[in-house]
Amino acid sequence: DGGITQSPKYLFRKEGQNVTLSCEQNLNHDAMYWYRQDPGQGLRLIYYSQIVNDFQKGDIAEGYSVSREKKESFPLTVTSAQKNPTAFYLCASSGGNVGRGEQFFGPGTRLTVL
Amino acid sequence: GQQVMQIPQYQHVQEGEDFTTYCNSSTTLSNIQWYKQRPGGHPVFLIQLVKSGEVKKQKRLTFQFGEAKKNSSLHITATQTTDVGTYFCAGPYGSSNTGKLIFGQGTTLQVKP
Repeated sequence: DGGITQSPKYLFRKEGQNVTLSCEQNLNHDAMYWYRQDPGQGLRLIYYSQIVNDFQKGDIAEGYSVSREKKESFPLTVTSAQKNPTAFYLCASSGGNVGRGEQFFGPGTRLTVL
Repeated sequence: GQQVMQIPQYQHVQEGEDFTTYCNSSTTLSNIQWYKQRPGGHPVFLIQLVKSGEVKKQKRLTFQFGEAKKNSSLHITATQTTDVGTYFCAGPYGSSNTGKLIFGQGTTLQVKP
């Protein structure tokens, strides 16, 4: 089955710890995205990558970092510098005609800072 | 900066009633996309509209793209409990072909059986 996987589904961390969220896709998509969703709000873009070894900041990149060493993988690190990291994190990918195509979302990771 | 607004934020309807959510962009969009997110789930693509004035139907769902390509609507006829969820519209971010989308805040639909 083609799709996007995110792990873990639920993640708990203590304040001051860095944590890495996994995102893998086997859709052969060039573009990948990370969004943050807070209760009752829309999706806010953290980082995006249009091609391997290249990525750009989105609207709320502070306190986050990413890498894109492989086409299939786009991990997101939530650093201790992120002041309010508790949220639902969604990874997405798109392919084909970038700029007009739909985005496919993974199941998400719910991060809670204790 | 560029904004996409949706109204209403929440809507409670009785099963069988109709439902409409409206999406307004501060800029002209080359296309508009609609997504549905079930409670506890992730957004799932529903449809993309590209042409000015375009109307598309998916069973009980009717999607419209405004003539000026700055607004859109989703109308559900005779809602069912399976329609429960949050509906998001999204448009391309700026004029560059980056694939970035800007999402509205979403409209959460509750359906009372």
